This record gives sequence, structure tokens and C-alpha cells, in this order.
Amino acid sequence: NAGVMQNPRHLVRRRGQEARLRCSPMKGHSHVYWYRQLPEEGLKFMVYLQKENIIDESGMPKERFSAEFPKEGPSILRIQQVVRGDSAAYFCASSSQDRAGQETQYFGPGTRLLVL
Amino acid sequence: AQSVSQHNHHVILSEAASLELGCNYSYGGTVNLFWYVQYPGQHLQLLLKYFSGDPLVKGIKGFEAEFIKSKFSFNLRKPSVQWSDTAEYFCAVNSYNNNDMRFGAGTRLTVKP
Repeated sequence: NAGVMQNPRHLVRRRGQEARLRCSPMKGHSHVYWYRQLPEEGLKFMVYLQKENIIDESGMPKERFSAEFPKEGPSILRIQQVVRGDSAAYFCASSSQDRAGQETQYFGPGTRLLVL
Repeated sequence: AQSVSQHNHHVILSEAASLELGCNYSYGGTVNLFWYVQYPGQHLQLLLKYFSGDPLVKGIKGFEAEFIKSKFSFNLRKPSVQWSDTAEYFCAVNSYNNNDMRFGAGTRLTVKP
């Protein structure tokens, strides 16, 4: 059972370009979470999605950031018109509920975005 | 809103020393508690988790954590650390049936050989 897959692992963009980060959840997982990790900081929740639905985007910046989890294919975190402050590691996690309704999140390797 | 505090930003120990990393959370309801480890250059891996039952939870690699409800704490312990335990450790909390996970800022552990 493959773990959470993210690609690319490293992404370099110039200011003003677009960044697309992909996340394929673990097999059988229907919930996807995106987090951002800035240098010397912990993980900050960005968005929680289920298939074709955004459940909670309270941690997502209001502008330039969007996320989707289509019926087919990976979840995409899209950052338009990137700025240097967007440079960070972006982690995706997936989960599913167990019989007791509890969830455990499993993380992907992350995408390290560098904006020049 | 719930929050998670990890008291130590950086802990330096010698091999075979005992480890305790503090984690406190603020949330009044039923919570699920997690410790994740991030080795240098790698992704987060689940060390252990607490949902209910025995408040002393054993995880992988000899780690354990104790949930003390009255203190809102979930401290991570290991009786004897190894050089390979050098990593960053994150405590995380979500409320029961809520997927909004909150992470602490992390504690960097350096184990000297």
C-alpha cells in the first residue's frame, strides 16, 4: 500500500509565476489536508478536502491560493502569482475514518517551493 | 480555538539520556492526541496516538506518551535516546470528530553521540 505521494518534491518558481502542487492520498483514503511549514516553524493547517468538496479552508490565504480534490486524480494546491513569502514546504496528509469514527493523518514527503 | 504548545524549541541530549518533551493543549472537549517525528529532510511520520482508553500510550522506536487530562498535557518520553533520534518532534491535537488538526511549533532534538 503506497503512502501519500506528492509531486514535485522540489519546485522553483520566479515571482509572478504559478505553482501547482499535487497530492495523491493513500489508497482508500478520501480525506486530504494541506499544510504549510515555514522555516523554523511548525505546520500550519491550510485546507481540508474530501472528494469534490472543500470542507474547511479556514487556513488558506484569501487570495492567490486555491485547492481542489477532483473525483478522479490527485488533489491540487494552486498558488497563483507566487511571491517570495510563499517559499515553504507544503505537506499533504490523507486519512480515512476507522470503525470508531476516528481519523489518523498520514503525511506525504512534501513539496519544497522556492520562489526566486 | 484550540492550540498546542510545545515548551522547548531545541533540546540537546547525550546518547542514553532520558527524554521528556512537553506538550500542552487548550481545548475543553474530547481530544485526539498525536506525536509525529520529522527526521532531517524527510516527511512527518506518526510516532504514536491517543484516542481513548489507557492514557499511557506506547509508540514506535521505544517512545511513549502520557495523557494527563487534568493538566491538558501529552508529554513524550523515551528512557534512553539514541543518536538516530535526532529529529524534530511535533505534537498535534484534534477534537473528537473534527478534522481540524492543530500542530505545535515543534521541538528539535539533537542527540550527541
